[in-house]
Amino acid sequence: GQNIDQPTEMTATEGAIVQINCTYQTSGFNGLFWYQQHAGEAPTFLSYNVLDGLEEKGRFSSFLSRSKGYSYLLLKELQMKDSASYLCAVRSYQLIWGAGTKLIIKP
Amino acid sequence: DADVTQTPRNRITKTGKRIMLECSQTKGHDRMYWYRQDPGLGLRLIYYSFDVKDINKGEISDGYSVSRQAQAKFSLSLESAIPNQTALYFCATSDQLTSGRTDTQYFGPGTRLTVL
Repeated sequence: GQNIDQPTEMTATEGAIVQINCTYQTSGFNGLFWYQQHAGEAPTFLSYNVLDGLEEKGRFSSFLSRSKGYSYLLLKELQMKDSASYLCAVRSYQLIWGAGTKLIIKP
Repeated sequence: DADVTQTPRNRITKTGKRIMLECSQTKGHDRMYWYRQDPGLGLRLIYYSFDVKDINKGEISDGYSVSRQAQAKFSLSLESAIPNQTALYFCATSDQLTSGRTDTQYFGPGTRLTVL
């Protein structure tokens, strides 16, 4: 079967760093996406990894290890506006979505 | 500017009614998708279309139908709405997966549908 696992919920402190993990088992791999979704709003694209390694975009970085079926999203210098759900999605023959990780930021 | 728009944004209807949700995009993308999202669950694909003449069922197509009227328009219909179709519905678009393109999906603002 095809499966994506992410923690359901995480809590972090404003100004700190948090790492959100995503593990996947899929038949085929053609890229991994991270999206941010604020409550009641549309998912918005954050990052895309297709090769192993780290992709950095400002405060956000995403890492991929294809051999381990593993990715993480790293958020630095957390701000209150980062409180949202973070969705991991893997494209095999279609795009498979994880259930998302709800990130709660505390002052 | 909203590149992907959905109408209506909110809709309350009764069991048995026919409902149409509409999606338009100005991104020039060939591929369009309809998803539903329920609390605690991931996005689930209802239908997708890679061009005007290509329409495919997703994992939960039962009870739904779609129409791709043009490259820029993709509508979702519930022929006879039932309460368990109460959900947040998203339309998305993407470009083709070719050299230099990643087939990243971009979402509309969503339609909150309640079936009583």
